[in-house]
Amino acid sequence: DIQMTQSPPSLSASLGDKVTITCQASQNINKYIAWYQQKPGKAPRQLIRYTSTLVSGTPSRFSGSGSGRDYSFSISNVESEDIASYYCLQYDNLWTFGGGTKLELK
Amino acid sequence: QVTLKESGPGILQPSQTLSLTCTFSGFSLSTYGMGVGWIRQPSGKGLEWLANIWWDDDKYYNPSLKNRLTISKDTSNNQAFLKITNVDTADTATYYCARITRYKGFDYWGQGVMVTVSS
Repeated sequence: DIQMTQSPPSLSASLGDKVTITCQASQNINKYIAWYQQKPGKAPRQLIRYTSTLVSGTPSRFSGSGSGRDYSFSISNVESEDIASYYCLQYDNLWTFGGGTKLELK
Repeated sequence: QVTLKESGPGILQPSQTLSLTCTFSGFSLSTYGMGVGWIRQPSGKGLEWLANIWWDDDKYYNPSLKNRLTISKDTSNNQAFLKITNVDTADTATYYCARITRYKGFDYWGQGVMVTVSS
């Protein structure tokens, strides 16, 4: 089974900051990673798929990069509507979510 | 417009079998490359993938739960199903179904259904 180690578990940011979340897979996942945003009481919403492809409607301040085992997700210029939890998902070999990152306002 | 909606019993007792239904529209499970998956989330915790079923009836299960899970579909009625046997309190969670494709992952999600296991 592929394990996804997501860090940090929580993040505190000010409006306008740039924040970065990382996910490390236990083996090469060939860029098959997606990133999701989840607000309390809501279903996850896909923001990015295949490492760096923005899903329609995702603001351009969101970005993703990486290869092999190591991937990152960034939000530049954090806005109040970005306060949420974020999860990575590998879908190269079965499907595994990272543990999540809770983004809070400083 | 793709939509999915989960339904379930709400509450059930330990050792019972949990039966969940996902009713969807805007795509067909007879279309090449389409699939439906189930994911759950205990309150305040992370997401856990459970099972997927594909257009060709191929099925995949989370290895840690495989012995307890059965996924199936009714293509003509646009529904997918998940059964979990011998539930206990650790199965208390919100259960989501989502559309899946090979290159996009889980792209559309239902609103989720809360399931409580309690005696």
